[in-house]
Amino acid sequence: AQKITQTQPGMFVQEKEAVTLDCTYDTSDPSYGLFWYKQPSSGEMIFLIYQGSYDQQNATEGRYSLNFQKARKSANLVISASQLGDSAMYFCAMRPPIYNQGGKLIFGQGTELSVKP
Amino acid sequence: ETGVTQTPRHLVMGMTNKKSLKCEQHLGHNAMYWYKQSAKKPLELMFVYNFKEQTENNSVPSRFSPECPNSSHLFLHLHTLQPEDSALYLCASSQESGQGDNSPLHFGNGTRLTVT
Repeated sequence: AQKITQTQPGMFVQEKEAVTLDCTYDTSDPSYGLFWYKQPSSGEMIFLIYQGSYDQQNATEGRYSLNFQKARKSANLVISASQLGDSAMYFCAMRPPIYNQGGKLIFGQGTELSVKP
Repeated sequence: ETGVTQTPRHLVMGMTNKKSLKCEQHLGHNAMYWYKQSAKKPLELMFVYNFKEQTENNSVPSRFSPECPNSSHLFLHLHTLQPEDSALYLCASSQESGQGDNSPLHFGNGTRLTVT
């Protein structure tokens, strides 16, 4: 069975510092995708970054990077130079191949990040 | 304007009411989804429509009834709901190639539903 685990219910970071949000996953499929989403208090889920299971390099998108360690089944999100607007819930998600449960996204519990001025 | 628009943003309804949630995507995607987000719980997939055909029904009670008239619009019809159905309901869309790829889902702002 597929599972996503985020062990940090809440995190604090000082403005302009970097922060790492943890995510581990469990799957027996050789092919899968890993995603991070941001959910501000307004409720919208915003797609941040994607990592494919066969990608050789870690994904980066602006201030976001994904520290992908396949052997350890971890996909941690690193946010560099934190800004006050980064305060939000962050969800890690995994997508199995479409032949497995229709390829639906499986979400973790989320981590609430608070950026302090 | 976001690529996925949901209305209304907030809804309060009694247990005997009938209401509908609406979702519209402007991204040209071919798959649409309803997710439920309750407090302190992970997002729960409710329904999946791929090319207007329902491909997943995640054991959702019959008091929730989806409708997908075309690939751009998705509705969730609600009737005789329970207080425990109060939650944030999120609509999403994606472009599926059918190759088992890993397209991201694009979400709307959600409808905050309160059942009294």
